[in-house]
Amino acid sequence: GAGVSQTPSNKVTEKGKYVELRCDPISGHTALYWYRQSLGQGPEFLIYFQGTGAADDSGLPNDRFFAVRPEGSVSTLKIQRTERGDSAVYLCASSPDGGDREQYFGPGTRLTVT
Amino acid sequence: QKEVEQNSGPLSVPEGAIASLNCTYSDRGSQSFFWYRQYSGKSPELIMSIYSNGDKEDGRFTAQLNKASQYVSLLIRDSQPSDSATYLCAGPGNTGFQKLVFGTGTRLLVSP
Repeated sequence: GAGVSQTPSNKVTEKGKYVELRCDPISGHTALYWYRQSLGQGPEFLIYFQGTGAADDSGLPNDRFFAVRPEGSVSTLKIQRTERGDSAVYLCASSPDGGDREQYFGPGTRLTVT
Repeated sequence: QKEVEQNSGPLSVPEGAIASLNCTYSDRGSQSFFWYRQYSGKSPELIMSIYSNGDKEDGRFTAQLNKASQYVSLLIRDSQPSDSATYLCAGPGNTGFQKLVFGTGTRLLVSP
């Protein structure tokens, strides 16, 4: 079946602008995760959704970052007033449920803030 | 101490050899670990999961978990040039199993 999809694949924006990154998980997966990966590092956790609710948002770096999953499927990560330090690859993953199950990653969105 | 630690490498092995990748973790309560392979410019791809002490084999890959020593390893037998990638170890970390904590990854180079 179809894997996790993310759009756009690349996003270039100017410092101070607002961006939205979209994730469409594997069909039927109730758990959805956002991670951020910088060059030479492993992915870093941002937020976890179980269904429609954010079960753990402890990884969001500050209040410029926000994510929603209104219908329990597609999720949008929103970044306000972007800064150059936000430049990274934003990865979305999904899992059948919220337990210690395997997580499957999408192709990522490369965000560049100029 | 980082929650999940890996040697960044690179680890260089000749084609056909066994590649051994290692990972240590700090949380004694961790129950499950995952190995991901990441090619340059691509996203992580899950290749192995292990939930209990001992070995788990899948094709040319064997994952080993030693809870007493708090390390996880991945063995790749008959290494191929196409195995050249960064291998990421991930575990649940100290604050719960819902999110994964990743090591920085070990770069593997398999020479023909």
